[in-house]
Amino acid sequence: DTGVSQDPRHKITKRGQNVTFRCDPISEHNRLYWYRQTLGQGPEFLTYFQNEAQLEKSRLLSDRFSAERPKGSFSTLEIQRTEQGDSAMYLCASSLRLAGNEQFFGPGTRLTVL
Amino acid sequence: GNSVTQMEGPVTLSEEAFLTINCTYTATGYPSLFWYVQYPGEGLQLLLKATKADDKGSNKGFEATYRKETTSFHLEKGSVQVSDSAVYFCALSDRPDQAGTALIFGKGTTLSVSS
Repeated sequence: DTGVSQDPRHKITKRGQNVTFRCDPISEHNRLYWYRQTLGQGPEFLTYFQNEAQLEKSRLLSDRFSAERPKGSFSTLEIQRTEQGDSAMYLCASSLRLAGNEQFFGPGTRLTVL
Repeated sequence: GNSVTQMEGPVTLSEEAFLTINCTYTATGYPSLFWYVQYPGEGLQLLLKATKADDKGSNKGFEATYRKETTSFHLEKGSVQVSDSAVYFCALSDRPDQAGTALIFGKGTTLSVSS
């Protein structure tokens, strides 16, 4: 399978715990995006990487959220001190620089904060 | 700010019926426009796209035309199938000439097709 993969697919945690999600983009894609999707809403942009550089962050990305892409390949998204409002589907997407911003999405990680 | 508005669902149709899902947008400049589809239990998939005014995107029998005068990008299909049941998202890229811009999505429209 050469698509975008995400791990884990589901995560249940208690309020106040830290969680980390992983995204593996399509191998030749140098752009990587994180989005959040809540029930009944479309995905909302969180942050974007070109290679290992984090170039843009949304106002939605509070100080409790941090994302990395240390070698320009896979990326991690960490949420510290989770809150019930963090419950959502976290989507990762990747794209090629010269592909007109056509983004390919992974299956997502569903986070439930109890 | 930039935004996308889709018709609210759910849309319920019988097989072979004609489908229209309305999408209008607000954006400065000349955005690129997309339709993504999310089948049950699967990730978002790009269905079609258009990058400039009057372009028509098409795929799998679905079509959408970029109408700058009405700021619209309505999705149509002449004859839907049960397998088209999914959630459809309209999206725009408001700086397509720049690297790595975020997509702005509508809320999604659920389509349910019965046989």
